[in-house]
Amino acid sequence: AQSVTQLGSHVSVSEGALVLLRCNYSSSVPPYLFWYVQYPNQGLQLLLKYTTGATLVKGINGFEAEFKKSETSFHLTKPSAHMSDAAEYFCAVSDGGFQKLVFGTGTRLLVSP
Amino acid sequence: NAGVTQTPKFRILKIGQSMTLQCTQDMNHNYMYWYRQDPGMGLKLIYYSVGAGITDKGEVPNGYNVSRSTTEDFPLRLELAAPSQTSVYFCASSPVGTANEQFFGPGTRLTVL
Repeated sequence: AQSVTQLGSHVSVSEGALVLLRCNYSSSVPPYLFWYVQYPNQGLQLLLKYTTGATLVKGINGFEAEFKKSETSFHLTKPSAHMSDAAEYFCAVSDGGFQKLVFGTGTRLLVSP
Repeated sequence: NAGVTQTPKFRILKIGQSMTLQCTQDMNHNYMYWYRQDPGMGLKLIYYSVGAGITDKGEVPNGYNVSRSTTEDFPLRLELAAPSQTSVYFCASSPVGTANEQFFGPGTRLTVL
């Protein structure tokens, strides 16, 4: 069965600092991987996804993630944090057909001035 | 387009009561999903549907029922509410294809007392 592990339930950074949110996956087949963001009191929205091809994936709002098969990782990064990036971030892996996903437990990003 | 809409936004139930959470999408998506989100647990799939008249269980289906009579609507029914069903419920939809994005509604916060 597919699974996702997100290290760190909370990550704190200063505005302008590098953001690194970690995600490791377990999948019995080549995975499709996703990062979703949830702002307070809202539903989730897609940041970026990896399907096939280029292992460095760029998403919205300056975020990117690199698929590393050898490390079974899909870490999310942003060079310079902005106050508006404060939110909860979920990594997810495809789980069989019909676009089903298995989500990680989430990482809350806190950005201080 | 309104996207995915959910009603109600908030609800308090007494133990043993029943209710239906409504979900409607106007994107003509075949795939629809119900998740529950609990603090520190990420999102867990309750039920999903791949088209009108076709539903299947997800990871945590006990205590819930669904139906899908139209492409647009995917209601979630709670029978005999229990405190363990206190959660935030999200409905999502996705077009047919490979690794497509799921579009989420704003959620329903349910408390069972």
